[in-house]
Amino acid sequence: SQQGEEDPQALSIQEGENATMNCSYKTSINNLQWYRQNSGRGLVHLILIRSNEREKHSGRLRVTLDTSKKSSSLLITASRAADTASYFCATVDQGAQKLVFGQGTRLTINP
Amino acid sequence: NAGVTQTPKFRVLKTGQSMTLLCAQDMNHEYMYWYRQDPGMGLRLIHYSVGEGTTAKGEVPDGYNVSRLKKQNFLLGLESAAPSQTSVYFCASSAVGGVYNEQFFGPGTRLTVL
Repeated sequence: SQQGEEDPQALSIQEGENATMNCSYKTSINNLQWYRQNSGRGLVHLILIRSNEREKHSGRLRVTLDTSKKSSSLLITASRAADTASYFCATVDQGAQKLVFGQGTRLTINP
Repeated sequence: NAGVTQTPKFRVLKTGQSMTLLCAQDMNHEYMYWYRQDPGMGLRLIHYSVGEGTTAKGEVPDGYNVSRLKKQNFLLGLESAAPSQTSVYFCASSAVGGVYNEQFFGPGTRLTVL
């Protein structure tokens, strides 16, 4: 069963614009992680945010977590063509030993 | 450092054949994982290991077996391949703390079962 559900499933924007992806989940979590997957490649870790954190930044990435709404968002600012990829959120339930991935958001940056 | 490597990159099997996928990591990580990814879906955990000599079932373990005889290697076996096992398989590893830390992924093995 999948925990996180990303929204939208696909997003197409112009280079330079900001991209926002959302993730909703169902249970109490220890942490939530975002990963990027370029076509035909493995996943690359972007950011981990713990349940007691509300916001984290890494370069052009900003992740927020609202545990009361059981949701997270990933913002990519000033998008570039190289940001074209699928983005997955993954959650870790309290006391669990596994990541549960959502279905992903496919992001396309148009030049 | 090579990170996480997977062998082979591609494989085509006939129904009923067996094979072993090899995952190797050079980061001295305790935890290792095998996932499968099917079109339009996120990754689903098959089996995982929290240390050398240990294995545990994930979300979709049926039809697969694993072994972790050496800390750096995690093997995924298919004893009798079925078309439903056509997928892309990813191995990952993480340091002490397991899922409370980031996971490092290999490049994947694309398996087709005819």
